This record gives sequence, C-alpha cells and structure tokens, in this order.
Amino acid sequence: GNSVTQMEGPVTLSEEAFLTINCTYTATGYPSLFWYVQYPGEGLQLLLKATKADDKGSNKGFEATYRKETTSFHLEKGSVQVSDSAVYFCALSEGAGNFNKFYFGSGTKLNVKP
Amino acid sequence: DVKVTQSSRYLVKRTGEKVFLECVQDMDHENMFWYRQDPGLGLRLIYFSYDVKMKEKGDIPEGYSVSREKKERFSLILESASTNQTSMYLCASSLPRYTEAFFGQGTRLTVV
Repeated sequence: GNSVTQMEGPVTLSEEAFLTINCTYTATGYPSLFWYVQYPGEGLQLLLKATKADDKGSNKGFEATYRKETTSFHLEKGSVQVSDSAVYFCALSEGAGNFNKFYFGSGTKLNVKP
Repeated sequence: DVKVTQSSRYLVKRTGEKVFLECVQDMDHENMFWYRQDPGLGLRLIYFSYDVKMKEKGDIPEGYSVSREKKERFSLILESASTNQTSMYLCASSLPRYTEAFFGQGTRLTVV
C-alpha cells in the first residue's frame, strides 16, 4: 500500500541555519508529491509540489526533488528564518478512478530560534 | 485566489448534540475531504466525496456522516457528539487525480 514516512520532530535550528526534513514514500504507482506547511491554529497550505521523477519543486526558498530511485522527497532550505517555524507535512497523491487519494506523513515541527 | 472556507473556526458543543460542520469551495472541484487532526496521530481521513451525492468512508468514519447535495458544499455531521470527538477538523478539496489538495482554515471543535 501507499505510505509516507518523515523524520520526527521537533527540529530546532538557529536563524540562518540549513534545513533538511527527510521524507520517503511507498507507492504502488506514480504519485505526485507535496510539502504542506501548517502554522499554529491554521489549516495546511501547499508549500511545493512535484508531479514526476526528477522534478524539483520550489517556493519561498524551500526546495524538494522527486527521487524515484530512492523514493524520497526531502525538503531543504538554505537559510531558515524565525517565521519558518511551523509544522511541515510530506504527502503523496495517487489517482484511483474518479478521485485522488492522499497520504500524509505525521508532520515535523520546526522551531527556529533568533 | 482559490478558497476553501469552513463555517466556524471554533465550536463548543455539548455531549449528545448533533453537530454540523460546513465546508464550501469555490474552485469547482470534484473531490472533497474531511480529516481530523490530533496530536501525535497526524491527519486521519474521515470521509471523502468524488461527486455530488457520492461519498466514501475513510479510515475513521465511526460516529460521523456526511452530506454533499451541491458540488461546492461538503458537510460533516456528528450524529451524537462525544468528548472523544474533540479535535481539529480540516476540510479539503481537489481535482481528480494527482493534483494537490486545498485546505480550509480548520475548525477546532470542543465537546464538553
């Protein structure tokens, strides 16, 4: 079956540090991959996506590359800011007939200290 | 700007009440979803719908039902609220197949 595994948090970094949040997936077909971000008390917002192997998604300084050979989609940012403190979810979607099915990782909380 | 709107940010209900959570999307999406989010358990799918009047059970449907009479609106119903249904509820919508889901802002429900 399909699943997403991401590193457990919390991850605590100082401002301007390099960020990596690991994500690996298991899928029966050819999924699309996503990173979502959730700020306290809010819903999930799409951060970036990649729809096929070797695609790189990027947004707001965050990047992730769809690696089929290692079934991974690690999130990176070169220099984090305090405002990046949030919970990050890795997810995949795979079409099944008339609908998408989404599979989410458990979330990784990021704390960035000034 | 695409939008998924949940009717309430915060709700407090009493045990045994019938509770309605409403979700509206303006993107003409076929698929709509209800999740609940609890600390340490991540997002769990309650129900989803792939078309008007069509619904499918997710992973934790017990104690819930849904209604989709119009394409843009997907309602979650707690038939008789219980304290273990205290949670954050998230609605989402998407096009069919391989595209991203768009989420509402969430409803934090407390059952007392």
